[in-house]
Amino acid sequence: AQSVSQHNHHVILSEAASLELGCNYSYGGTVNLFWYVQYPGQHLQLLLKYFSGDPLVKGIKGFEAEFIKSKFSFNLRKPSVQWSDTAEYFCAARSGGGYQKVTFGTGTKLQVIP
Amino acid sequence: DTAVSQTPKYLVTQMGNDKSIKCEQNLGHDTMYWYKQDSKKFLKIMFSYNNKELIINETVPNRFSPKSPDKAHLNLHINSLELGDSAVYFCASSTWTGRNTEAFFGQGTRLTVV
Repeated sequence: AQSVSQHNHHVILSEAASLELGCNYSYGGTVNLFWYVQYPGQHLQLLLKYFSGDPLVKGIKGFEAEFIKSKFSFNLRKPSVQWSDTAEYFCAARSGGGYQKVTFGTGTKLQVIP
Repeated sequence: DTAVSQTPKYLVTQMGNDKSIKCEQNLGHDTMYWYKQDSKKFLKIMFSYNNKELIINETVPNRFSPKSPDKAHLNLHINSLELGDSAVYFCASSTWTGRNTEAFFGQGTRLTVV
């Protein structure tokens, strides 16, 4: 079955620390990958996406993610976090094709301490 | 100019009542979804419609009935509400034929059943 795993459930960092959130997926064939962010009380917003091409994807707000096909991973990174990055982060995957359902990981709560 | 809008944003109701949540998108997408986010922030797809036709129907109680009057609207009607229905419900939309597209989410409807 298709699934997405996020192993870090709750991460606490100090401002300026570097961030890496893990994401693994189990899909065969073509896969589209996403990272969404949900700020407290807000809706899901797209941080970045990977469809094809360069496996290193740059998104908004200084985030980037690397698609490593051999590891079935799509980890999210940011070199220096800010207090405003405090939010829930969701990795998601979809079989290639815009109509396919998006499957989400369980989310990682990031808390940045000033 | 909101791309995917849901109403109401908050809904508090008693057990046994029937309620509806409305969703509209102005992105010209032809596929719409309902997701449920539980208290642990886990997001799970419930339904998906493409051009007013049901294409994804996950294991959801038949008390939940989606209705799509046109491809820009996907409403969710819930009969005989139960305590366990308390959650945040997110509407989303995307395109069917476009491979390089992501899902856009509404702001969510926080349903509380008392």
